[in-house]
Amino acid sequence: GAGVSQSPSNKVTEKGKDVELRCDPISGHTALYWYRQRLGQGLEFLIYFQGNSAPDKSGLPSDRFSAERTGESVSTLTIQRTQQEDSAVYLCASSLLAGVAYEQYFGPGTRLTVT
Amino acid sequence: GENVEQHPSTLSVQEGDSAVIKCTYSDSASNYFPWYKQELGKGPQLIIDIRSNVGEKKDQRIAVTLNKTAKHFSLHITETQPEDSAVYFCAAILSGGSYIPTFGRGTSLIVHP
Repeated sequence: GAGVSQSPSNKVTEKGKDVELRCDPISGHTALYWYRQRLGQGLEFLIYFQGNSAPDKSGLPSDRFSAERTGESVSTLTIQRTQQEDSAVYLCASSLLAGVAYEQYFGPGTRLTVT
Repeated sequence: GENVEQHPSTLSVQEGDSAVIKCTYSDSASNYFPWYKQELGKGPQLIIDIRSNVGEKKDQRIAVTLNKTAKHFSLHITETQPEDSAVYFCAAILSGGSYIPTFGRGTSLIVHP
């Protein structure tokens, strides 16, 4: 079946502009995660959604970052007033439920470049 | 919070050799340790995992070992093949919570034919 998809695959934007990144999880997956991967670094957790519960936003680096999820479907990560240090690959993952018994399936990522 | 160190950052081996990647973690409460493989242009994919009540787990050419006392865990790949070339990430998780992994910085494995 279809895996996690993300769009766009690449985004180049000017410093100060807002960007929206989209994630389509695997159908039926209630948990959705956003991560940031800087060049040569591991994945940094940003935000996590589980069903209708309040999202865990503990990893968002600043108030310029926000994310929404409509029910158990599409999620959008928004970065306002982008800065050069926001340049990274943004990865989305989904799992059937939250918990170590449920594998996280990752999308291919969106490569964001802020010039 | 949890901190995961991963070594080496780059590992180059000849086809058929073994490769070992090591990670250490700081939070003794972490009890689940997955390993991911990330190929160029793709998202990470889970390849093997281990829980704290087990010392070793094998899956064909891949094995993971865990030393909870020393807070070390390692990935072992035997009989390496060129298609094993990728970036490998370890992670540590405290299960029972929201399942938010703390990742190591990754190891770029290059297998030369």
